[in-house]
Amino acid sequence: GQQLNQSPQSMFIQEGEDVSMNCTSSSIFNTWLWYKQDPGEGPVLLIALYKAGELTSNGRLTAQFGITRKDSFLNISASIPSDVGIYFCAGTSTSGTYKYIFGTGTRLKVLA
Amino acid sequence: DAGVIQSPRHEVTEMGQEVTLRCKPISGHNSLFWYRQTMMRGLELLIYFNNNVPIDDSGMPEDRFSAKMPNASFSTLKIQPSEPRDSAVYFCASSRGLGNEKLFFGSGTQLSVL
Repeated sequence: GQQLNQSPQSMFIQEGEDVSMNCTSSSIFNTWLWYKQDPGEGPVLLIALYKAGELTSNGRLTAQFGITRKDSFLNISASIPSDVGIYFCAGTSTSGTYKYIFGTGTRLKVLA
Repeated sequence: DAGVIQSPRHEVTEMGQEVTLRCKPISGHNSLFWYRQTMMRGLELLIYFNNNVPIDDSGMPEDRFSAKMPNASFSTLKIQPSEPRDSAVYFCASSRGLGNEKLFFGSGTQLSVL
């Protein structure tokens, strides 16, 4: 079935550094969502993207819908300790099934 | 506004017992999704409903799993009989509708089957 490849799988960064992660699909997507999950909690929606090329920000977070519609990127600027968590991408394809497929997640650890 | 509400937060049971997980979607949301999260398989979609009607249950692993949505504000996911390999975190999520709508998750139910 469809798969979303998310990279990197994990990363350690220093507080204050910028972070980049991405998600790629084997097929064209209509929508991309980015989530953050803290331990013991459900994923929390960060950003939603609906059009190819779209660039959307939410505070220090910026996400882009790739031009090819097969990828998306999330950037976090000036990371802080509370950015620690797992970041997931999710998308719906053009197949019309309305299913959100989730990436495998990027585990972010911020060193103070 | 209240988000998606799931209960219980934690469930520990013995193999062979029946387990029922509950979910109340966000008011006004017409679509409801059940996901399972494990380290090995990540977030897997089990089943989703639209206007209380099951649309796709192809992700339900076995006949031991069943889900119902008797009304717009309540859904259950039942496992009978439960097995140790069912141990996982089960999430309920809701959206205004199908298509390119934002998906909102509950806090999940941590299920441990001994």
